[in-house]
Amino acid sequence: AQSVAQPEDQVNVAEGNPLTVKCTYSVSGNPYLFWYVQYPNRGLQFLLKYITGDNLVKGSYGFEAEFNKSQTSFHLKKPSALVSDSALYFCAVRLSGNTPLVFGKGTRLSVIA
Amino acid sequence: EPEVTQTPSHQVTQMGQEVILRCVPISNHLYFYWYRQILGQKVEFLVSFYNNEISEKSEIFDDQFSVERPDGSNFTLKIRSTKLEDSAMYFCASSEASRDTFFGSGTQLSVL
Repeated sequence: AQSVAQPEDQVNVAEGNPLTVKCTYSVSGNPYLFWYVQYPNRGLQFLLKYITGDNLVKGSYGFEAEFNKSQTSFHLKKPSALVSDSALYFCAVRLSGNTPLVFGKGTRLSVIA
Repeated sequence: EPEVTQTPSHQVTQMGQEVILRCVPISNHLYFYWYRQILGQKVEFLVSFYNNEISEKSEIFDDQFSVERPDGSNFTLKIRSTKLEDSAMYFCASSEASRDTFFGSGTQLSVL
């Protein structure tokens, strides 16, 4: 069975500092990995994905994530955080293109001015 | 940019009542999904739908739940007799074959 772990419920970072939101996964086979962001009272917005190829993937709003197969991790990063990045971030995994996404429990990011 | 739309944004109902949550997926998408998020918990898969039939469902999706694509554009989730524990944010999603999944903004269901 697939699973995703986001070990931090909350991440606080000062504006302008780099941020990292952690994600590890467990799946039998090659994973498709995703990050979604949820702003208050909004749906889930796609940020980025890893399917194959370069381990460093770049996504929306300056976010990037690095796929590390040996550590089964897919941490979300941004070099310089903005207050507007404050939101709930979900890591997700699926086995193939059309199977359901399995989500982590989410990490709340607070960027402080 | 095309988007998944859901109505209503909020639904309040009494326990035991039937509710229908509505979704309009992105027009050229073939795969449709319902997920839910109980307050403070993670997003959970309910059901996927392809080619006019359920392709996969979770253990949450019991006999009280049903899905339908009544016409070429709408995709609905029906809960026959709502329970207090059905209170959650329900997300509809759609995707093309083996492509990104796009989510709607959700319907907040409150069962009183």
